[in-house]
This record gives sequence, structure tokens and C-alpha cells, in this order.
Amino acid sequence: DTAVSQTPKYLVTQMGNDKSIKCEQNLGHDTMYWYKQDSKKFLKIMFSYNNKELIINETVPNRFSPKSPDKAHLNLHINSLELGDSAVYFCASSGRGGNEAFFGQGTRLTVV
Amino acid sequence: QQQVKQSPQSLIVQKGGISIINCAYENTAFDYFPWYQQFPGKGPALLIAIRPDVSEKKEGRFTISFNKSAKQFSLHIMDSQPGDSATYFCAVSSGGSNYKLTFGKGTLLTVNP
Repeated sequence: DTAVSQTPKYLVTQMGNDKSIKCEQNLGHDTMYWYKQDSKKFLKIMFSYNNKELIINETVPNRFSPKSPDKAHLNLHINSLELGDSAVYFCASSGRGGNEAFFGQGTRLTVV
Repeated sequence: QQQVKQSPQSLIVQKGGISIINCAYENTAFDYFPWYQQFPGKGPALLIAIRPDVSEKKEGRFTISFNKSAKQFSLHIMDSQPGDSATYFCAVSSGGSNYKLTFGKGTLLTVNP
């Protein structure tokens, strides 16, 4: 039973398109995140939600819009995709206290 | 400004050897220091973590050494195995409502058989 699952695993799309990545966790955690891993493997937080409320937005372009319909789900919608958006996007979740984060398998986004 | 500096960028160790990866941080407000392990095509997974009230934590072959005054912490992998070959990330975090991990740039460890 996968703890943090993301779909799709791979996403190839053209510049200018709009795409979404979905994330679900079955750990009962209150906090969910989106991290971006670039081509040099650098991991950087994008957003954090606690109990469906946005608590961290790390100066991410407005083209990126997270949505949390409930505590178990955090989706990421990206408008007007650019070449520089190509990366691996990881969803993660953590329980009360926030520290230990469990990551999904990642979504490799390639913009052509 | 990079909040956590990790070294080396890559490391090659023979099977049975000791792998050592180091991290240094700036902000003394950080109070949680985990190490994550990432295999190709997978998400990072928590390996071991320490809080600043102890100087060392050991779990099996993995040990974290923590030096609060120097603002440094390191991961030691004893008896390194080829299966340990992966990218290792240190991270820092602070408590309260700031729920985020700030990662180092990663170390690619290769353990030769």
C-alpha cells in the first residue's frame, strides 16, 4: 500500500500547455508539500499545506497553483508551461510536528 | 544564500569501507537534522535524523555526528555496501509552523564491490 502516491509518473508536454499532477497520501498526515528537483538533483520546496491551508509559498511563479481539496490530497496545476519547468516534482507529507517527511515517487515533467 | 552546505559532491568507496558525508549550516534556529537517501527513479527516503540535544545517533551501520558549536553534522556509513550506492541529502528544519526541509545539494555515493 503506497503511502504517498503521485500521478502521472512521467509527463511530456509542449511549451504553453497546462498540466496537472495529482498527489494522495494515506498516512493520515496533516501537512503536504510540493518539492522540485532540478537536473542537478537540487531539491527545493515549492509549497506547503497544513490542514488544507497554504502555509508556505517559496516565491514560485503564479503559473503554479496548488490545490488541496482535503487533507489527503494536494494537486499541482501548472499553466503556460515553459522549458525551464522541466524537472522532477515530488509530493511529500508529514505528521504532527512536521519534521519527518515521506516522499512520493516523483513526477518527471519534460517540456518540449 | 545557501542555508546548508554539503560535501563532497561525489564519493567513491570500496566495499567494507567507511563513507563520510558532511554538512554545515548557518541558522542556529534549526533543530532537526535528517539525512535522506535517494535511489535513481525514487523519491528521497528518511535514513536517520538527529536533534541538537545529542551529539551522536546510531542506527545499524548509519551514524550521525552532530557538533552544535561548529554548526556541522555528518553521516557515517560503516561497512559500506554496493547497495548503499545512492544520492544522500542532508537537510535542516526548524520547529513551529515553518514546516519545510531545506536540503543540501546532495552527495552521489558509489560503493565499488
